[in-house]
Amino acid sequence: SQQGEEDPQALSIQEGENATMNCSYKTSINNLQWYRQNSGRGLVHLILIRSNEREKHSGRLRVTLDTSKKSSSLLITASRAADTASYFCATVPNSGNTPLVFGKGTRLSVIA
Amino acid sequence: DAGITQSPRYKITETGRQVTLMCHQTWSHSYMFWYRQDLGHGLRLIYYSAAADITDKGEVPDGYVVSRSKTENFPLTLESATRSQTSVYFCASSEQGYGYTFGSGTRLTVV
Repeated sequence: SQQGEEDPQALSIQEGENATMNCSYKTSINNLQWYRQNSGRGLVHLILIRSNEREKHSGRLRVTLDTSKKSSSLLITASRAADTASYFCATVPNSGNTPLVFGKGTRLSVIA
Repeated sequence: DAGITQSPRYKITETGRQVTLMCHQTWSHSYMFWYRQDLGHGLRLIYYSAAADITDKGEVPDGYVVSRSKTENFPLTLESATRSQTSVYFCASSEQGYGYTFGSGTRLTVV
């Protein structure tokens, strides 16, 4: 069963705008990860944030984690058409030894 | 992702047939995983392996068999394919505590 739940399910923005996607989860986690999937391709790991971290940056990506609210957000700044993809959050439960549990994803469309 | 290869890329098989999906990684990652991706369900874990000769069931293991005799290979076998197993199958590998590297997927159609 899904642990993470992304919101919104779909998002459409203009090139240059920022895109924010949210993820909520149910149980305590060891870490939370975000992945991107282009149409017809495999998933690509974007960023991992551990339960003791609150914010992480990677290029145009900013991820926040609020363990008290069991939620995370992914911000993509200055979006490009090439950012068009589905974005998934995935969590590793607290034990750290169990596999990732994925949400259903947010479908982002960036219009040039 | 050149380091993890899935084959075949596309497969059509008939109901009741046995079919094996292959997965090969070149990094010697300890962990390997099989997920299936279906519309409306996202990715669901079928089986995973923490090391050679160690495998564990995931969320949806029924009808599937895995083996891991070598660290680099993790084949997934559908013993008797059913239409409900029509899906896109993704193999992934990782080390504990790190992100996963996914293969390009196998699109399986059971007719």
